[in-house]
Amino acid sequence: KNQVEQSPQSLIILEGKNCTLQCNYTVSPFSNLRWYKQDTGRGPVSLTIMTFSENTKSNGRYTATLDADTKQSSLHITASQLSDSASYICVVSTTSGYALNFGKGTSLLVTP
Amino acid sequence: EAGVTQSPTHLIKTRGQQATLRCSPISGHTSVYWYQQALGLGLQFLLWYDEGEERNRGNFPPRFSGRQFPNYSSELNVNALELEDSALYLCASSSSGYSNQPQHFGDGTRLSIL
Repeated sequence: KNQVEQSPQSLIILEGKNCTLQCNYTVSPFSNLRWYKQDTGRGPVSLTIMTFSENTKSNGRYTATLDADTKQSSLHITASQLSDSASYICVVSTTSGYALNFGKGTSLLVTP
Repeated sequence: EAGVTQSPTHLIKTRGQQATLRCSPISGHTSVYWYQQALGLGLQFLLWYDEGEERNRGNFPPRFSGRQFPNYSSELNVNALELEDSALYLCASSSSGYSNQPQHFGDGTRLSIL
């Protein structure tokens, strides 16, 4: 069964600190992995997309890594800001037609 | 470029009623997806429409249905509403149904069942 597990479920950090969110998946056959940011009351917004051959992708202060062998991905946030407070969702796609597998998300709270 | 728009923003219904949610995709996008996001849960895939046809549906009862119009806009209908249908319903669109095409989300319709 295709599954996407995210950890931690929630996280509180001080403004200016770094943090790393984890995503483990058992989805097969793998096509790509995306990280989305979802602000409260808003729809998710794509941060990064990574294919099998990519192991690092950056978008400003967000850096995603992918280890396709161990089926793990991480999202590292550098120098966190209050606006980073949101839910971060890992989504893994397969190559077989439409098949998006969503993690339950990590809820991040950045405090002053 | 206008993003995905959904209406209404909020909808309050009572048990047994019917609800209709609407979605306008990004111009040029032919695929529309519907998701349910209940409080504390992840996104659950509901329906995928492409070129006017239903391509796939998630594990939801038949009282969840929808359609896609010739202009690629879409509506989601939920019949015989139950309390557990209370959730944020998100619509997303993409330029095609291939998984390598990013999905762009609207801000959702908050459906509350009293």
